[in-house]
Amino acid sequence: QVQLVESGGGVVQPGRSLRLSCAASGFTYSSHAMHWVRQAPGSGLEWVAVISYDGSTIYYTDSVKGRITISRDNFKNTVDLQMTSLRAEDTAVYYCARDYSRYYDRLDFWGQGTLVSVSS
Amino acid sequence: DIQMTQSPSSLSASVGDRVTLTCRAGQSISSYLHWYQQKPGKAPKLLIYDASTLQSGVPSRFSGSGSGTDFTLTISSLQPEDFATYYCQQSYNTPVTFGGGTKVEVK
Repeated sequence: QVQLVESGGGVVQPGRSLRLSCAASGFTYSSHAMHWVRQAPGSGLEWVAVISYDGSTIYYTDSVKGRITISRDNFKNTVDLQMTSLRAEDTAVYYCARDYSRYYDRLDFWGQGTLVSVSS
Repeated sequence: DIQMTQSPSSLSASVGDRVTLTCRAGQSISSYLHWYQQKPGKAPKLLIYDASTLQSGVPSRFSGSGSGTDFTLTISSLQPEDFATYYCQQSYNTPVTFGGGTKVEVK
């Protein structure tokens, strides 16, 4: 069965960096795009980034461009989110999600999320 | 960016009620519209994709319709496990965008 397990969350000071990772299993990882979606406390879902099946195509939401980098390793079946210059407004649960397609479409499986708290 | 607007933001209903949620896109997105259900403390779950196709394993009381800019999610007979927040999402172009959600609460 499809499994997505996020790790790397925690409490971090403003301006610092954090790297999230998502380990995938139970499917042909190299055939699917992967997303990161976040949810601030008490708020709705905010899409963050997507990386295509082969890593050749990447998109970000405007609010994280230049501060966040998505990457994937099709040998280790992982997708990472490197976050720098963190701000209080980056505080959220971060979910990784599998895309049905190779580029972007519907998010058909989600991990349980990892909490990032940016606070001094 | 394509703005997705859901209405109402919340609604109160009883078990057995027929419930209709609305999602409106800021421009035409054809049928590139998907619906998710999220319960407190849990990850979202895909319910319907391409506006009207039921994801495998999702009960048939859920249905979706619409194309272009206006979409609806209908629950034909609300069950206790359906009290949750529902989100729409467009994949017509990037950035992928979600609606603000509709919370379905117990009346």
